[in-house]
Amino acid sequence: DQQVKQNSPSLSVQEGRISILNCDYTNSMFDYFLWYKKYPAEGPTFLISISSIKDKNEDGRFTVFLNKSAKHLSLHIVPSQPGDSAVYFCAAKGRVTGANSKLTFGKGITLSVRP
Amino acid sequence: DGGITQSPKYLFRKEGQNVTLSCEQNLNHDAMYWYRQDPGQGLRLIYYSQIVNDFQKGDIAEGYSVSREKKESFPLTVTSAQKNPTAFYLCASSQPGQGTYEQYFGPGTRLTVT
Repeated sequence: DQQVKQNSPSLSVQEGRISILNCDYTNSMFDYFLWYKKYPAEGPTFLISISSIKDKNEDGRFTVFLNKSAKHLSLHIVPSQPGDSAVYFCAAKGRVTGANSKLTFGKGITLSVRP
Repeated sequence: DGGITQSPKYLFRKEGQNVTLSCEQNLNHDAMYWYRQDPGQGLRLIYYSQIVNDFQKGDIAEGYSVSREKKESFPLTVTSAQKNPTAFYLCASSQPGQGTYEQYFGPGTRLTVT
């Protein structure tokens, strides 16, 4: 049972336009969400995160929005650049006691930014 | 220069052989993780360790084993019992308790078993 879903496998946008990457989750116990970017044959790199007590977090060209009632989050990249072309993973952490910081990842979205 | 190293980058083995993948970190992180990535499957958790000498099974632990004898090292052994061992393996680490939950990843090891 997939708890973090990235239903669109790919997205293509024009350079300079906005990229919107979506992620849905089913587990209401998730309380922290992260986005990672991954190039082929490399490890993922952290982009941006958001706690469930917030609905928006912004870092430069990247903004993450969280809609808890809909169990939905989205990553906005504006303006999009060719170097943003990569696979983007959404990840979530459950609300557990202790130091357990295990993450659950979605399957990823391949973003292509056309020059 | 702090980070996570995984070696080798590419590894080839014959079916029926056990193989050990290396993961070392100098970030002084308590927690370490192993994932595998298959095309269209995202990252799936194999094993994780929150502290030295302790580790737990992840979602797909069958056919794998780990050890955590030192804080900086978390080697993964892919045994002959793993039915589909060919994959891209990623090691990560984090420092729980700081409120951010970010995991830092190594560059990965591509294992091919024929």
